[in-house]
Amino acid sequence: AQTVTQSQPEMSVQEAETVTLSCTYDTSESNYYLFWYKQPPSRQMILVIRQEAYKQQNATENRFSVNFQKAAKSFSLKISDSQLGDTAMYFCAFMKIRNSGGYQKVTFGTGTKLQVIP
Amino acid sequence: ETGVTQTPRHLVMGMTNKKSLKCEQHLGHNAMYWYKQSAKKPLELMFVYNFKEQTENNSVPSRFSPECPNSSHLFLHLHTLQPEDSALYLCASSQDLLYEGQGPRGFGYTFGSGTRLTVV
Repeated sequence: AQTVTQSQPEMSVQEAETVTLSCTYDTSESNYYLFWYKQPPSRQMILVIRQEAYKQQNATENRFSVNFQKAAKSFSLKISDSQLGDTAMYFCAFMKIRNSGGYQKVTFGTGTKLQVIP
Repeated sequence: ETGVTQTPRHLVMGMTNKKSLKCEQHLGHNAMYWYKQSAKKPLELMFVYNFKEQTENNSVPSRFSPECPNSSHLFLHLHTLQPEDSALYLCASSQDLLYEGQGPRGFGYTFGSGTRLTVV
């Protein structure tokens, strides 16, 4: 079974600064996806960024980027130029690729609550 | 609009009540999920429906009863709940991603905004 660990329950960052959220995972799979989801106070879980394990290049989406270290099983999220709207819970998630197709089973971490301070 | 709609947004119910949560998606996805979100715990997968067939039931107590009449609608029927069942219940949907012979696409889930359930 896969596990996802987020060791930082809460973090804060000044507006316009950079913050990094940590995530480690444990799996014996070689082919999988990793995700960061954002859950603002509105409760809508929104996909922020995803990374395919077979790609060595780190994914980026505008101000969001990841540092994917496959051997270390680490998947951190960097938010640059933090904005007030980035205040939310952030969940790291793992998805095994099913060779026979079918639904996706995603394992989530416990989340990191990020507060952006004006 | 995200494409996954959950109603009601909030629900307070007594332990002897019967209520239902509703989830609707208009994304053409063929898999739908119920998750339970409690404070300081990982999201707990409860049920999965793939092409309207229940494919997973993660040892959920029988006081939770899912129903998937078609690939766009998912219900969670609740009866004789306990106070510890108070939580945020999230619905999600996804598209069957990986077919034999094709490459993975890995789009992840699309979530609804959840139903905040309080059992009194």
